[in-house]
Order: sequence, then C-alpha cells, then structure tokens
Amino acid sequence: QVQLMESGGGLVKTGGSLRLSCAASGFTFSDYFMAWIRQAPGKGLEWVSYISSGGTNRYYPDSVKGRFTISRDNAKNSLYLQMNSLRAEDTAVYFCARDFNSGSRLDSWGQGTLVTVSS
Amino acid sequence: DIQMTQSPSSLSASVGDRVTITCRASESIDNYLNWYQVKPGKAPKLLIYAASTLQSGVPSRFSGAGSGTDFTLTIGSLRPEDFATYYCQQVYTTLGAFGQGTKVEVK
Repeated sequence: QVQLMESGGGLVKTGGSLRLSCAASGFTFSDYFMAWIRQAPGKGLEWVSYISSGGTNRYYPDSVKGRFTISRDNAKNSLYLQMNSLRAEDTAVYFCARDFNSGSRLDSWGQGTLVTVSS
Repeated sequence: DIQMTQSPSSLSASVGDRVTITCRASESIDNYLNWYQVKPGKAPKLLIYAASTLQSGVPSRFSGAGSGTDFTLTIGSLRPEDFATYYCQQVYTTLGAFGQGTKVEVK
C-alpha cells in the first residue's frame, strides 16, 4: 500500500535552516506530482510547495517563495524540502502528500513531521 | 486568488446525528472541490473529490454535493471515529486554497 514517511523535523533557531525528507513506497513514485502541506498549531492546512513528477516544474505560495526549495530524487523514491531563513510563523507540522492526478486531489498523506522555529 | 470559506467553524454533535458542513468559493470552481478529514497526530485523509465522488475505502455515510460556488459535506449518521476537523480545498487552480476547517466535536 502507499506509504509516505516524513523525517527531518526539529527545533531550529530563527533564521536557521532545515531539510525535510519524505520516503515514498508502495507506488511508482516517478509517476506522481508531490506536495508539501503544513499545519501550524491551532491553524488550518496551508500549501508549502508542489513539484511535477519529473521535478521540472515547482510551485510555491508567496509565504515561502525564495526561502524554501522543493526537490525530488526519483531513483531514491524521495521528496525533499529545503527550508532556509526560517521564521517563527513557519512553526508547523509538515506533511508530504501524493497528488493522484496532476492537480486533482491529494490522495495519500504522511503523518507529518514537526518543525519548531524559536529564537 | 480564489478564497474558500467554510461554515460553521465548529459544531457539536452526538453519535447518530446527521451533520452538514458548507464550503463556499469566492468564484466559480465548477466541481473542482475536495474534502479532507484531519485528526491530531494522524495522516490527513481524502474523503471526497470532484465535489461528490467518494474516495475508495471511505464509508458511504460521507457524501458531497454542489458545484459552482456552493458545496456541502454531509455525514449521514455520525460515528465516534468521525469526530475530527474537516477541510474543503479547491483544485480549480494550482496551489488551490483550503478552507479554514470545521471542527466536529462531541456534544
């Protein structure tokens, strides 16, 4: 079955960097667009980034553009999120998710990894 | 940007109740609307896609309706495992916004 497992979260100082990983299994990773979504404490779901199946096209909301970089290694069935210049408002649980059909729906999600940004 | 507004923000209900959550888009999104269930510490779960199509494995007590700007998620008879927060999401545009969520709590 489809499995997504995030790792790399932790406590980091304001202005610092962190790299999240998502290990995928149970499906042909290279066939699917993938996403990072986050949920800040007590808040709703928010897009962080989105990447095409081959990695060519990447999308970011304004809130993280220029600070975060999404990437993937299809040979390793892995998705990554490099987060730089972290701010307190980036504190959240970060989920990776599979996009079933290039923008139609996020049909499988991981359990998330917590990132805490504090001075 | 297309904004998504859910109502209510929270509701209290009992096991066996029929529950309806509303989601409104700031402009027409045809049927490009999904619903997710989120529980603390668990992977979010896709319930409904394309406004009314039940995701495989999701119980039939969940149903979705609507098109254009107004959508609903209905839980036909609430079960204990359904107490959670529900989000709509428009997929009409890339990075489609989520609603702010509706928390279904025990009455």
